Parts: sequence; C-alpha cells; structure tokens
Amino acid sequence: KNEVEQSPQNLTAQEGEFITINCSYSVGISALHWLQQHPGGGIVSLFMLSSGKKKHGRLIATINIQEKHSSLHITASHPRDSAVYICAVRYYPAGSQGNLIFGKGTKLSVKP
Amino acid sequence: EPEVTQTPSHQVTQMGQEVILRCVPISNHLYFYWYRQILGQKVEFLVSFYNNEISEKSEIFDDQFSVERPDGSNFTLKIRSTKLEDSAMYFCASTQQGNTEAFFGQGTRLTVV
Repeated sequence: KNEVEQSPQNLTAQEGEFITINCSYSVGISALHWLQQHPGGGIVSLFMLSSGKKKHGRLIATINIQEKHSSLHITASHPRDSAVYICAVRYYPAGSQGNLIFGKGTKLSVKP
Repeated sequence: EPEVTQTPSHQVTQMGQEVILRCVPISNHLYFYWYRQILGQKVEFLVSFYNNEISEKSEIFDDQFSVERPDGSNFTLKIRSTKLEDSAMYFCASTQQGNTEAFFGQGTRLTVV
C-alpha cells in the first residue's frame, strides 16, 4: 500500500514552461516536505508545509490538508531544474514518534 | 549555510564485511536519522536517534544494523555483515526538533560485491 502517491512519474518540459507536480497522501500528517534529488543522488529540502502556500524564487508549494493533497509548481522552468522531486509526509502511526514516508518521486527533465 | 556531511561518498565492500557509514549532523540539531534508497526505488526510513538512543526503527533495521553517536559530532551507521541486498544509497538527516525541517546529507553509495 502506498501512503504517498506522486504524479506524474516522469515529466518532460520545454524551457520556460510552467510545471506542476502533484502529491496525494492517505494518512493524517503533521507536515509535508518537498525534496529535490539531483542525478548525483544528494537530497535537498525545498519546502516543509503544514498549511497554505510557500514560495521560494520560482518554486511554489501548496497544501490542502482537507483534501490530503499538495502541489509543487515551478515557474519559468530551466534545464537546471531537471531532477527528481520527492514528496515526503511526516505522520505518527500508533506508538511512533513520527516518521517521514516518501513518495516514489517525479523525474523532471527540462529541455532547452 | 550549515549542512549535513557524510563520508565516504562511495564505499565498495565484500559481502560479509562490516562497514561504517559516517555522518556529521548540523551542530544544534537534536534528532538524527538514517534512510536508504535502493537503486530505482523510493527512500525508506531506517532509524531515528534522539538523546543518545534509538527512538524508532523500521523493520529493515535488523540486528545487522547499529547506530552510534561516539562523540559530540559524529553519527554512524554500522552494518555488521553486509549482504548484496544492502547495496543502496544511505542518507543521513538531522532536524532541530522532531517535527522541523529535515536536512539531508549527500549520501553514501554502498556497493556490496
């Protein structure tokens, strides 16, 4: 069973396009993270959200807690945005102090 | 900007050998984590560590695995007798509190041959 689902799995865009990556989750959470993983493998935290919307440069993340859904938007995409974008949620199963559960990631390729 | 550092970046080891993966979390962080990512799969939680003890571990984290904070800065993951299926990217992460933003290291790619 997948508690965190991302779509699409793969996305190819032309430079300059507006991009949306979606994340749905099935468990009650305290926070949702958007992460970026470059081809070398390293993971960088982009956002942590528990409500509403956050913006950093060309990146915007939104979350709807009632609908258990989050989106990551990239405006004016650039080839350097090419990476795998991972959604991860922090939730507290019975007896747990809280874990991150990860989606499978969305592989984004931006062509010049 | 403070960062989590991991060494080595790549480790190749013979099956059955012990490996130690090292991490230096961000200095004022209190919670430390290890995750792994098998090639082509999603990232999976292994273990969390707080106040010098394991606070939680997944079913992956069996008796072959152990973690330690031997001094005030390092956080290590030891695999006692590596198996081929332990080949993966291992990520260390730290958070200031249990529910704050997670900062990840660049990962150690472990290859068991």
